Amino acid sequence: SAVISQKPSRDICQRGTSLTIQCQVDSQVTMMFWYRQQPGQSLTLIATANQGSEATYESGFVIDKFPISRPNLTFSTLTVSNMSPEDSSIYLCSVVGLAWGEQYFGPGTRLTVT
Amino acid sequence: GESVGLHLPTLSVQEGDNSIINCAYSNSASDYFIWYKQESGKGPQFIIDIRSNMDKRQGQRVTVLLNKTVKHLSLQIAATQPGDSAVYFCAEMGHSGTYKYIFGTGTRLKVLA
Repeated sequence: SAVISQKPSRDICQRGTSLTIQCQVDSQVTMMFWYRQQPGQSLTLIATANQGSEATYESGFVIDKFPISRPNLTFSTLTVSNMSPEDSSIYLCSVVGLAWGEQYFGPGTRLTVT
Repeated sequence: GESVGLHLPTLSVQEGDNSIINCAYSNSASDYFIWYKQESGKGPQFIIDIRSNMDKRQGQRVTVLLNKTVKHLSLQIAATQPGDSAVYFCAEMGHSGTYKYIFGTGTRLKVLA
């Protein structure tokens, strides 16, 4: 397994601004993902964070709105750009290590946009 | 399209009783499934997994059953405790090798004292 931390744990932001969320893993992992969980709902995959190259986005998510970086095997960032109240959600980082195969989640970042 | 859904949005169980949470999946090619527990204000916590070459797997107080014929997954929790109160999600690896998971809608388990 892996220990995953996210910063910030929560934030309240004004519309039109951007927030960058950090995800740090305590071991090198092959796959890192970003999910969104809107209030009272399930998890939706935003993108796969690829090390050293552009992230792979799922349908309905675009790089201009959710730019992602992954400079190494243990760290990734997700930016929520030009925020609106509809972006209020929990954003979750997850990792999969090929050695173990299971997917583990970070504690999440609770974002409220006013 | 591919989807994973749960039959019951809320399940109330008496403390000490067994709980059964169900999940239906639509992709017969999926070969790996995970159950997660999510407590309020926390990220999903891995509970137990099962591969498609198995029909049952047991952990500590939890058992996952997989019925590939009807594409059904269930999580059984024995002797349910107040600490089991949470939302439970099933997740399906939609395309083998991509490690992308499709999540069900979630079931809230309420344990009654």
